[in-house]
Amino acid sequence: GAVVSQHPSRVICKSGTSVKIECRSLDFQATTMFWYRQFPKQSLMLMATSNEGSKATYEQGVEKDKFLINHASLTLSTLTVTSAHPEDSSFYICSAEYRGNSPLHFGNGTRLTVT
Amino acid sequence: DAKTTQPPSMDCAEGRAANLPCNHSTISGNEYVYWYRQIHSQGPQYIIHGLKNNETNEMASLIITEDRKSSTLILPHATLRDTAVYYCIVRENTGNQFYFGTGTSLTVIP
Repeated sequence: GAVVSQHPSRVICKSGTSVKIECRSLDFQATTMFWYRQFPKQSLMLMATSNEGSKATYEQGVEKDKFLINHASLTLSTLTVTSAHPEDSSFYICSAEYRGNSPLHFGNGTRLTVT
Repeated sequence: DAKTTQPPSMDCAEGRAANLPCNHSTISGNEYVYWYRQIHSQGPQYIIHGLKNNETNEMASLIITEDRKSSTLILPHATLRDTAVYYCIVRENTGNQFYFGTGTSLTVIP
């Protein structure tokens, strides 16, 4: 089945630094990728939708200058958390969609801890 | 925003069928019903989806009411590994945002 790879699975960084998370679709071309954030015991919250070659569409309340999304190719999207703070500590999950009649496939998430 | 409501939690005895309900009373004609599950600290796993007909695959069955305002996910013989949070999502087939509701936490009891 379709596989979405997310890297790194876990990262710890110091407050004020930036962290990049990669999301790759391994066996299909993803025309659309989605980025989610999940806090403990809560559901997934959609942060932004990115289409290959165009700017990401951010959900209300998500700071686009803080969470930079790049979808440069049909198999790779990146999320950069800039100037991270402890409140950005969360579980970040990406998903990818192939154009056509197919469901979304999710990566296994990245646990970000900002100290 | 999520357009579904689900019970927050359910228990099911191991080996029995788990029936997870979902209400989506405002679903529109071109929106599909998707089911995913999330095991702790992992990404969501696709289970099944459908438009208006009942669907079955190797994991589960999806029963959609005739008016499409509700659906039920059926795990025919629940195992301990089926303990997870199950999410019901409605969405047009491709390209639109994919919003998660609060889901149902299913616990399979030995």
